[in-house]
Order: sequence, then C-alpha cells, then structure tokens
Amino acid sequence: DIQMTQSPSAMSASVGDRVTITCRASQGISNYLAWFQQKPGKVPKRLIYAASSLQSGVPSRFSGSGSGTEFTLTISSLQPEDFATYYCLQHNSYPHTFGGGTKVEIK
Amino acid sequence: EVQLVESGGDLVQPGGSLRLSCAASGFNFRLNAMSWLRQAPGKGLEWVSTITHSGGDTYYADYVKGRFTISRDNSKNMLYLQMNSLRAEDTAVYFCAKGRRYGAAVPDAFDIWGQGTMVTVSS
Repeated sequence: DIQMTQSPSAMSASVGDRVTITCRASQGISNYLAWFQQKPGKVPKRLIYAASSLQSGVPSRFSGSGSGTEFTLTISSLQPEDFATYYCLQHNSYPHTFGGGTKVEIK
Repeated sequence: EVQLVESGGDLVQPGGSLRLSCAASGFNFRLNAMSWLRQAPGKGLEWVSTITHSGGDTYYADYVKGRFTISRDNSKNMLYLQMNSLRAEDTAVYFCAKGRRYGAAVPDAFDIWGQGTMVTVSS
C-alpha cells in the first residue's frame, strides 16, 4: 500500500501569510494526487486535481505542484476563509490513501 | 446541477447490517467510476471502496474487505454500499464521490461529493 505522509499536521498562520503543505508518497504516483479543503461539519472540497490543476471556481491563490513522490499545496496569501483542514489523496493505485491532514489555524 | 445524495445511515448494533444509497444526477453516471469514503468523528478522511463505471471491477480497503459490498445500478443512477458485520470502528459519516470518467486522460476524480450519511454502530 502507498503511504501518504503529510506535513505539517497543524500550523498557525496569519492572514496574508504564504502557506505550504507537503505530501510525500511512499512510492511514485505520477500525478494522481488531489488536494481537499474541509471546514468543520462540511463536505470536503476539491481544490487541486492531477497534482497541479486548479479546480474551477477555486481562487488562484491556491496552487499545487509536484510529481512522483513529492507534492506541495501552496496558498500564496492566506485569507480568513482559508482556515480549515487540508488533505491530500493519492488515487494512482488501490487502496487509495489520504494524508493525515493539516489543520491551518489562526495565529 | 451535478449532485450526489446519500441516504440509509442509521444507528445499528455491532454485527448488524446496513445498506447505504447514493442518488446521482446532473452527469452521465454510467461513464464514471464511483467511490465511498468515510470520516469517523474527529478523525481524517478514509477511502472505503470504488466501483468502475460498468460495475465490472470493485476495490476495497482492507478494513472493510469481506464485510462491505459496493454495487451500482446504471439504469437508475444509483450507487450502493452493503455493510455487514458492522463494528464500532465503522462509525463514521459516509460520503459517495464521483470518480474518474472512463477513458479520461487526466486523473480527474473526487470532484463531487455528497453531503454524507451518518452510520453509528453501538449497542
């Protein structure tokens, strides 16, 4: 099974900060990587698919990069509505696996 | 509007069974793989199972293999999850999600999720 190691597990940041979240796959997954944002009590929302493609309607401050085993989600300028938990998901092979999540909190 | 609506969640005793349903609309259901995912209270997201567009292939997480069965009815735009031998650790919100379109070149999946249905396994 492919393990997805997501870091950090939690972080405090201020509005306007640049935020970077990383997922590392235990083996290569090409670009079969998606990023999700989830707010408490809400359904996960896809932000990025195919590692770097921005979901329609998602603000351009969100970006994804990487291929193979190292992937990054970047928020270029954190906004108040971005405080949430973020997850990566590999769907290159079964079983599909999520990273453990990154909770982004207000500093 | 593309939409997924789950139903069937309930309180069930350990060892019991439950069938979840997911009604799809707004897209060509028969062309897309479909998945079930779950989230235990206060925990992260977990993938549970995926079925191919035709229903010909199914995949399961180890923790549900042999107990859960995914199926679909393309004539009704419906996805199902039959859950048997339920355990306390199966307690979670269960989501259905739209998967990759058959033959798509881009790994474009999990773009649409339902609102979730709660399954509680407790005596």
